[in-house]
Amino acid sequence: QSALTQPASVSGSPGQSITISCTGTSNDVGGYDYVSWYHQHPGKAPKLLIYDVSSRPSGVSNRFSGSKSGNTASLTISGLQAEDEADYHCSSYTSSSTFVFGTGTKVTVL
Amino acid sequence: QVQLVQSGAEVKKPGASVKVSCKASGNTFTSDYMHWVRQAPGQGLEWMGIINPSTGSTNYAQKLQGRVTMTREKSTSTVYMELSSLRSEDTAVYFCARAPFKARLDCWGQGTLVTVSS
Repeated sequence: QSALTQPASVSGSPGQSITISCTGTSNDVGGYDYVSWYHQHPGKAPKLLIYDVSSRPSGVSNRFSGSKSGNTASLTISGLQAEDEADYHCSSYTSSSTFVFGTGTKVTVL
Repeated sequence: QVQLVQSGAEVKKPGASVKVSCKASGNTFTSDYMHWVRQAPGQGLEWMGIINPSTGSTNYAQKLQGRVTMTREKSTSTVYMELSSLRSEDTAVYFCARAPFKARLDCWGQGTLVTVSS
């Protein structure tokens, strides 16, 4: 199972919106509405931001939103803040009843 | 509130095995799935496998089939991940993560660094 494809880095200024893509295949992202997004600050464990493509756990800011079109899922961060600088990872359920993560994206707040 | 506490860092020689534990607090141990995920230095996350603590059933990443074993001990609310025939590429931080619904990893352990070096 190959990792899902994410851009290596995305940057934006405070207050701007950015979007991170996560591209897979019809056997994972395109086939199931089980895409999740996590962010991870250096030296810390990942934290769930979005599950089931577009649902937010309680306590997660509504500045984070998720969507999917075909084999590509996307995470949008609106009103970018300094604390959003972190690594972002997508994940999907697969046709093999396993899971796969993306290659990871480093978000930089300029 | 669920908390996951993992065992401490390990240093192993190539060819050896390592067993990492993950103890869950809270009353949901047998109703939540538990995933294991690892992260090599400077790399992304890699999914390793999942265990259903209620039944003990498992599903592993194809890449690790034959080398990884996940088990659970209901009496202590602990899950274990054992990786055998270690090689340098297995050097990573290993995380457990609980999932009340299979695809929703909403609580993670603090991570356990496993270093494989001769």
